[in-house]
Amino acid sequence: RKEVEQDPGPFNVPEGATVAFNCTYSNSASQSFFWYRQDCRKEPKLLMSVYSSGNEDGRFTAQLNRASQYISLLIRDSKLSDSATYLCVVKGGSYIPTFGRGTSLIVHP
Amino acid sequence: EPEVTQTPSHQVTQMGQEVILRCVPISNHLYFYWYRQILGQKVEFLVSFYNNEISEKSEIFDDQFSVERPDGSNFTLKIRSTKLEDSAMYFCASSEAGAYTEAFFGQGTRLTVV
Repeated sequence: RKEVEQDPGPFNVPEGATVAFNCTYSNSASQSFFWYRQDCRKEPKLLMSVYSSGNEDGRFTAQLNRASQYISLLIRDSKLSDSATYLCVVKGGSYIPTFGRGTSLIVHP
Repeated sequence: EPEVTQTPSHQVTQMGQEVILRCVPISNHLYFYWYRQILGQKVEFLVSFYNNEISEKSEIFDDQFSVERPDGSNFTLKIRSTKLEDSAMYFCASSEAGAYTEAFFGQGTRLTVV
């Protein structure tokens, strides 16, 4: 079983749409969770950390469900500039950030 | 804003040659990582480095690979005898200590083995 699983997509949505991505992780001892954004041929950049209570940053909302071992990212009012690959990252006891394969988002006019 | 820097941005090398990829992590960070990403594939962990030694390594990080922190600022990845399948983007990252700290990534070195 893969450690961190994501639907690769692509998710193709119009501007202004709301889109949600999920990510599941296999290690129940995982301690911290993040969403990164990666543009084509660029480095991953932190979008937001994911806290147990859930957190929001503008149009982005992240949720964590430890019981079901999944993390979600909700993007409201999608912009063209949101087009990218969204990477789910999980850190376990060894402090190694482990990446999912990413979910591709394409926002069209 | 502090950032991780990597050099070179692109390196082309012949199969069998040795390459050294260089990274300058963020200065107060204690954990350093190398990852690779083959075109179109996921970001894969290679090795982590803490307290001047390797703390974890993946199956990919075989005897062909080595890491070094030659001075107080640089962190290098050496590939001894490159293969065609080593062609990938190599990312260096660093983080503060602790389970809840995020990793910051350099802009990557694109390695092309011909």
